[in-house]
Amino acid sequence: QVQLQESGPGLVRPSGTLSLTCAVSGASLSDVYCWGWVRQSPGKGLEWIGKIYPAGSVDYNPSLKSRVTMSMDKSKNQFSLDVRSMTAADTAVYYCVIERFGGGTPAINWFDPWGQGILVTVSS
Amino acid sequence: DIQMTQSPSSLSASVGDRVTITCRASQSISRYVNWYQQKPGKAPKLVIYVTSILQNGVPARFSGSGSGTDFTLTISSLQPEDFATYYCQQSYITPFTFGQGTELKIK
Repeated sequence: QVQLQESGPGLVRPSGTLSLTCAVSGASLSDVYCWGWVRQSPGKGLEWIGKIYPAGSVDYNPSLKSRVTMSMDKSKNQFSLDVRSMTAADTAVYYCVIERFGGGTPAINWFDPWGQGILVTVSS
Repeated sequence: DIQMTQSPSSLSASVGDRVTITCRASQSISRYVNWYQQKPGKAPKLVIYVTSILQNGVPARFSGSGSGTDFTLTISSLQPEDFATYYCQQSYITPFTFGQGTELKIK
């Protein structure tokens, strides 16, 4: 059974950088999935942040693209998210997710499973 | 970005009721819609993908339909464990986007 576990700080100062890690068990980062991040805030609901492909290429939400970096460490079987220049609007629960694929053009895809989520608050 | 609009935002129903939640996309997305269930304090959980395919372990009382811009999630006979918030999500093109959620409450 595939499981994801987020880790990182629960509090980030305004203008600071958030760094989160997602540890993967039951699957390998070399498997044919994408590894992604979604956040949830009361004001904006569920928001897709982006994803990283097994070969390392990335696809970010344009609304966050200038501030986001995703990476992966296959030796540790974990992937990471950095968000720079954090503001109160970035306060949210951050989830890591697996994006699974099927056939079709574009390929059908869905998020399963999700990590348990980590609450990140931006405050001084 | 493709906007996903769910209705209603909130719904009160009783155990045994049949309920339907609607999701409308701002442009045609073929059948690229997924549905998630979220309970308080928990992560969303996949219920249905590609409009109508039930995720493993999801009871058959859940069903999905639609294509193009209009989609529905139906629960044929509500059970106590079904009271939760449900989200649709388009997977047609990035940035992937979600509906605002439908809170299903006990009447």
